[in-house]
Amino acid sequence: GAGVSQSPRYKVAKRGQDVALRCDPISGHVSLFWYQQALGQGPEFLTYFQNEAQLDKSGLPSDRFFAERPEGSVSTLKIQRTQQEDSAVYLCASRPSGSYNEQFFGPGTRLTVL
Amino acid sequence: GDSVTQMEGPVTLSEEAFLTINCTYTATGYPSLFWYVQYPGEGLQLLLKATKADDKGSNKGFEATYRKETTSFHLEKGSVQVSDSAVYFCALLYGQNFVFGPGTRLSVLP
Repeated sequence: GAGVSQSPRYKVAKRGQDVALRCDPISGHVSLFWYQQALGQGPEFLTYFQNEAQLDKSGLPSDRFFAERPEGSVSTLKIQRTQQEDSAVYLCASRPSGSYNEQFFGPGTRLTVL
Repeated sequence: GDSVTQMEGPVTLSEEAFLTINCTYTATGYPSLFWYVQYPGEGLQLLLKATKADDKGSNKGFEATYRKETTSFHLEKGSVQVSDSAVYFCALLYGQNFVFGPGTRLSVLP
């Protein structure tokens, strides 16, 4: 079956532009996670949804970062007024109900802010 | 807070060599421990996991044992292949969220 997909795979933005990154989780997966992976580092947690409810957004680095999942499936991570330090790979992961341990990761969106 | 430390890479080995990638963690309580692998251009894939002390996770010839006394979860493989070249991430799960180490890049030469 289809895995987690993300689009675009690559995004170049000029400093100050707004960007929107999309995540399509595995069909039927209840939980959805966003991570930020800086170059040469491990992924760091940004935010977590269960269905359409955003249950944890403690990892969002600033109020320029906003995530939504209005219908409990597709999610969008929006970054307003991008800065160079926002350059990273943004990973999305989904998890089925009843599973505690495993998250299924998408290929990521590489964002470069010039 | 919770954290994971891994040996720095890159690690370069010849095919059929023995692999060890060290991983230690700091956590309150007793987290579940994981190794994820990231092949070029792909997302993270679960390699193996262990949910309690003394558990051994294994997959594709890789093994790791959850050692509570040394707070470690070292990854081992007896004979690596060129196809094992990737970045390996040690991670802990406590609550809903993963905490990842910085990753170790492995290159296996034919």
